[in-house]
Amino acid sequence: DVKVTQSSRYLVKRTGEKVFLECVQDMDHENMFWYRQDPGLGLRLIYFSYDVKMKEKGDIPEGYSVSREKKERFSLILESASTNQTSMYLCASSLRGDGYGYTFGSGTRLTVV
Amino acid sequence: GENVEQHPSTLSVQEGDSAVIKCTYSDSASNYFPWYKQELGKRPQLIIDIRSNVGEKKDQRIAVTLNKTAKHFSLHITETQPEDSAVYFCAASNFNKFYFGSGTKLNVKP
Repeated sequence: DVKVTQSSRYLVKRTGEKVFLECVQDMDHENMFWYRQDPGLGLRLIYFSYDVKMKEKGDIPEGYSVSREKKERFSLILESASTNQTSMYLCASSLRGDGYGYTFGSGTRLTVV
Repeated sequence: GENVEQHPSTLSVQEGDSAVIKCTYSDSASNYFPWYKQELGKRPQLIIDIRSNVGEKKDQRIAVTLNKTAKHFSLHITETQPEDSAVYFCAASNFNKFYFGSGTKLNVKP
């Protein structure tokens, strides 16, 4: 019973391409997040959203943008992919408020060549 | 902002032994501390969490302790089994946004 779905498990893109990573949740969660996961660096927050059409920068937003037109969908956009954006990207969602754990998607492993 | 440090980065134990992973945080306003387990090739899964008004919480072989004064919290796994082998992440949260530690790769040797 997958509740947070990331559209692609593996992606290979060329440098300079515009890349869209899609995330959909079916739990009616208000909060959605995009992280990248790199060895030794853990999970770093790129962008998050507390509501439809609302977005806030995380710790490493440079080179990324996001879109949340509907509550269930949160898209991560790489405007012009670069090799240093090769990484595992994890989407997560949670209920609004204190003390609610995340539900993560399965991740998208993006390789930029 | 919040800064979460996690140690050790790798931990190898014999099956049946205990494992302890420690995290420190910097923001005294953080009030929720979850732990996630990520098996190879899979998504992180919440395994246990603790709130700032509680000092300890236990769930079968897993326990978490929190020392708010010292700003540190720990994950304890007793009677480890090979299926406990995974990467474990701690996190600290203050209203919705989580800050994660860098992860601990636990290897339980049969």
